Amino acid sequence: AQSVTQPDIHITVSEGASLELRCNYSYGATPYLFWYVQSPGQGLQLLLKYFSGDTLVQGIKGFEAEFKRSQSSFNLRKPSVHWSDAAEYFCAVVSATSGTYKYIFGTGTRLKVLA
Amino acid sequence: DTAVSQTPKYLVTQMGNDKSIKCEQNLGHDTMYWYKQDSKKFLKIMFSYNNKELIINETVPNRFSPKSPDKAHLNLHINSLELGDSAVYFCASSPGGELFFGEGSRLTVL
Repeated sequence: AQSVTQPDIHITVSEGASLELRCNYSYGATPYLFWYVQSPGQGLQLLLKYFSGDTLVQGIKGFEAEFKRSQSSFNLRKPSVHWSDAAEYFCAVVSATSGTYKYIFGTGTRLKVLA
Repeated sequence: DTAVSQTPKYLVTQMGNDKSIKCEQNLGHDTMYWYKQDSKKFLKIMFSYNNKELIINETVPNRFSPKSPDKAHLNLHINSLELGDSAVYFCASSPGGELFFGEGSRLTVL
């Protein structure tokens, strides 16, 4: 069965420091992968997505992610974190069966940013 | 204009009551979803409709009944509410790529 693992429940970084959030997936075929961000009391906003092609994907707010098939990973990175990046981050994979898309989310990583 | 809108945003009710959450999207997408987010932030898919047809029905108690009067609307009705139903319920729509989420409806069952 398809699954997504985010090994880090909480991560704390200082403002201006670099960030990497880990995501591992389990999927038989070529996966469609996503990173979403959820600010407190808000819905989820798409940061970036990978469907095919270049394995380094650029997203909004200065985020990027790299798809590594050999490691079944899709880690999210940002070179310099801003205080406004504090939020919950979700990695997701979509499985497509007969045209039905089912999105499976990881358990999330809560990012705290120190001033 | 809000792309995916849910009402109400907050809902507080007693155990045993019946309540509904409404969702509307103006993006022209054919597919809509309901997700439940528990207190640990875990997102679990509940239902999905494609052009008014139920296509995903996860292991959800029969007390939960989705209804899609047209492809722009997907409502969720919950009968005989239980304490464990307390959560944030998210509606989302999709053109077949990414999901577009509403802001969520926080349900508290007392």
